[in-house]
Amino acid sequence: QVTLRESGPALVKPTQTLTLTCTFSGISLGTGTVCVGWIRQPPGKALEWLALIDWDGDKYYSTSLKTRLTISKDASKDQVVLTMTNMDPVDTATYYCARVPDGNYLVFDYWGPGTVVTVSS
Amino acid sequence: EVVLTQSPATLSVSPGEGATLSCRASQSIASNLAWYQQKPGQAPRLLIYGASTRATGIPARFSGSGSGTEFTLTIRSLQSEDFALYYCQHYNNWDLTFGGGTKVEIK
Repeated sequence: QVTLRESGPALVKPTQTLTLTCTFSGISLGTGTVCVGWIRQPPGKALEWLALIDWDGDKYYSTSLKTRLTISKDASKDQVVLTMTNMDPVDTATYYCARVPDGNYLVFDYWGPGTVVTVSS
Repeated sequence: EVVLTQSPATLSVSPGEGATLSCRASQSIASNLAWYQQKPGQAPRLLIYGASTRATGIPARFSGSGSGTEFTLTIRSLQSEDFALYYCQHYNNWDLTFGGGTKVEIK
């Protein structure tokens, strides 16, 4: 059974760095062509893809946010970590991690429940 | 960056009727398009990938079509659980983008 769960601070101050952890089970990141990605959704707004790490450890970032994002994986802990620097109130959103089952089709079939992050002083 | 434009923003439909949602890409993305359903307070659910292939467990009343720049999600005979937000997403390259969404509401 595939499960993912996001964790991290609910509140961060402007200019701080956000670190989010995606802990998963039932996913073998490092075999096949499985990837794990991060997507966010500001309140009342559309989904926005942020970053993806593939089975080989290759990393892909949203063009508009790539200078602020770092994605990494810890296969021994079944975790993927996303850091976002220089947080701003416009980064207030629900942050999701999700699985890509096949790197040939970059779609997200299993999602975590999401974690709400508020950026405020 | 591929921009996906979804229309209409809101679609009012009576239960039992059909619904047609549109997603237009700013450049050709072949058939590299997916559709998701999202209900309030929940994570999105994958409905369709490859423009027309239903994901596991998705009812046959959901169908997708299109290629290139024009795509459609059709829902036959809407059930109460189908009233939700719908998003399209392209994966023609590694810079993934989502559309702005279409809300399907009860008329």
